[in-house]
Formats: sequence, C-alpha cells, structure tokens
Amino acid sequence: EAGVTQSPTHLIKTRGQQATLRCSPISGHTSVYWYQQALGLGLQFLLWYDEGEERNRGNFPPRFSGRQFPNYSSELNVNALELEDSALYLCASSLGQGGNSPLHFGNGTRLTVT
Amino acid sequence: AQRVTQPEKLLSVFKGAPVELKCNYSYSGSPELFWYVQYSRQRLQLLLRHISRESIKGFTADLNKGETSFHLKKPFAQEEDSAMYYCVFWASGGSYIPTFGRGTSLIVHP
Repeated sequence: EAGVTQSPTHLIKTRGQQATLRCSPISGHTSVYWYQQALGLGLQFLLWYDEGEERNRGNFPPRFSGRQFPNYSSELNVNALELEDSALYLCASSLGQGGNSPLHFGNGTRLTVT
Repeated sequence: AQRVTQPEKLLSVFKGAPVELKCNYSYSGSPELFWYVQYSRQRLQLLLRHISRESIKGFTADLNKGETSFHLKKPFAQEEDSAMYYCVFWASGGSYIPTFGRGTSLIVHP
C-alpha cells in the first residue's frame, strides 16, 4: 500500500508570493488533514477536508486555503507569504471521521520564505 | 475548548531505565487519545491508542479519567526508543479535529 505522498519536498519562496502544496492520500481514504509544524510550536491544525468538502479550519488567516479533488487528493494554498509561514507542512489522511480511523502522515513539505 | 498538555519538552534516560512520558488533557466529555511517534528521518506514525489497550514495542498507556491523563510508559527503555512522542486528543462526538500536544523528545543513552 502506497503511503501518503506530498509534493514538493522543499519549496523556497519570497515574501508576498503564493505557495501551493499537494497531498495524495492513501487509496480509499477520504479525509485529508493539513498541519503546520513551525519550529518549537508543535503541530498546529490548519484544515480538514472530507468527501470534497472543507469540514473545519484552524486558527489561521484566510490566506491559508485549500481544496480537495474528486480523487481525494488535496492542495494547500498560502497567499501573500510572510516570513513566519516558514515551516514544515504535514498532510495526513484517514478513512473517515473520528478517532477510530487513525491518521497516516506524509513526509511533509518544507516551505522556506525569504 | 479541548487541550492536551505534554509538560516535558525533553526526557533523557539511560538504557534499561523506566520511562514515563506525561500527557494531560482538558475535556468534559469522553476523549479518544493516542500516542504518535516520530523516529529520526521517518514520518510521524501511530504508536498506540487508548481504546486498544494494547502494548506496542513495550509501551503502554492507560487513560485515567479522574486525573485526565494518558501517560505513556515503558519499564525498560531501549536506545531505539529515542524519538519524538506526541500525545493526541480527539474529541469523540465533537468536531473530529485531532489535537496534538507539543511533543516530548525522548533520548535514551547507552
């Protein structure tokens, strides 16, 4: 079984630009979660998609957005990049809602904003 | 709002010593709790969950509703246990958002 894949592995952008991060879930998983892991801050919840719909979002500004495609893959977009957006962005997938279906993580995308 | 706390950023022990990684949560309902682990250069992965009541790699964790805790324990630490450990809270019947603690880095010295 192929795991969760994220692309690109690394992304370098300058302040004010836009970044697009991609995630392919495990086959059969309908839920995709996005987390930001900034240095020293642990994993902060960004967005949750299930069955193509945004189900919940964390305490992040609207310039963080995304979508989920019919094949359940997902995209995270960050507009008007700021220096503090530099972080590891992790995607996780699961079979559905609730803790009965644990999260499976990708390796992350390292975003650096200069 | 639900919250999960891991009070120790770093825990350093010698091989063979007992290990306890602390996790406390605040939630008035019935929680679902997990421990995730990230070994060096590997992706974050599930270690164990409270509903399974199982032992994985010698680790166990018991949900104590009275103390609102879910501490991770192992009687004899091994060097390969060195990793980052995250306690994860998931509110059953709630908004289904898994909330991660800040993590505890466990270092097991030879």
